[in-house]
Amino acid sequence: QQQVKQSPQSLIVQKGGISIINCAYENTAFDYFPWYQQFPGKGPALLIAIRPDVSEKKEGRFTISFNKSAKQFSLHIMDSQPGDSATYFCASCGDGNEKLTFGTGTRLTIIP
Amino acid sequence: EPEVTQTPSHQVTQMGQEVILRCVPISNHLYFYWYRQILGQKVEFLVSFYNNEISEKSEIFDDQFSVERPDGSNFTLKIRSTKLEDSAMYFCASRDGGYSPLHFGNGTRLTVT
Repeated sequence: QQQVKQSPQSLIVQKGGISIINCAYENTAFDYFPWYQQFPGKGPALLIAIRPDVSEKKEGRFTISFNKSAKQFSLHIMDSQPGDSATYFCASCGDGNEKLTFGTGTRLTIIP
Repeated sequence: EPEVTQTPSHQVTQMGQEVILRCVPISNHLYFYWYRQILGQKVEFLVSFYNNEISEKSEIFDDQFSVERPDGSNFTLKIRSTKLEDSAMYFCASRDGGYSPLHFGNGTRLTVT
C-alpha cells in the first residue's frame, strides 16, 4: 500500500512561533496534496491544499511548500496561536481526488 | 455553511451484532465516502460511492461491510457482524464533482464490546 509518512508525531511551539510539519509520499501518480486540521470530537477539516504544478501555496498564516523531486511537502504555520492547537493530517491522492491516503497525524500544541 | 451530518454520535454494540451508521451528505454533492479512524491512528479510506454504486473500496471493506443510498439524502454504512477490531471513529464525507474538496462529518464513534 502506498504510504504517506508524516513527522513529527507531536510538536510544541510557543505562541507567535512557526510550526512546521513534514510529509513524504511514495506514489508518483499523486497529484493533490491537502492538509486537514482536526479538533477533538470533530471530523477533519480541509485547511489548505496544493497541486504539483506549483512549489508553494500561501493562505493567510498557512503555507504549503512542495518539492516534487524529493516527493515531500510541508505545512508551515506562521505566528502560531493557541487556537491552532489541533491534530494535523497531510494526505495525498491522484485520479481526481477519489481516495485520500492520510499521514499518521501530528498533534500540535501552542503554548503561551 | 452546509455540512455533512452523522448519526448517532456514539454507538455501542455487542460483538456479532449488525450496526448501521447513518450520514446525510451535503445536498448537491455527488461523491460519497466512508473513512475510519482507530483511536490515536491515522484516517483510513474504506469506500467511495458515486452514481449509486461503489467506485472504489479498500481491503478493509470486506464482505461484512456494505453501503447504501436508500433515498436522495441518506448514505449508510452497514457492518453485518461486528468484531472487536471494528471499534473506531467512522467518518462520512462528500464532495462535489471535479477536484472539489472533501467535506467530513463529525463522525460516529463505534464501540464493539
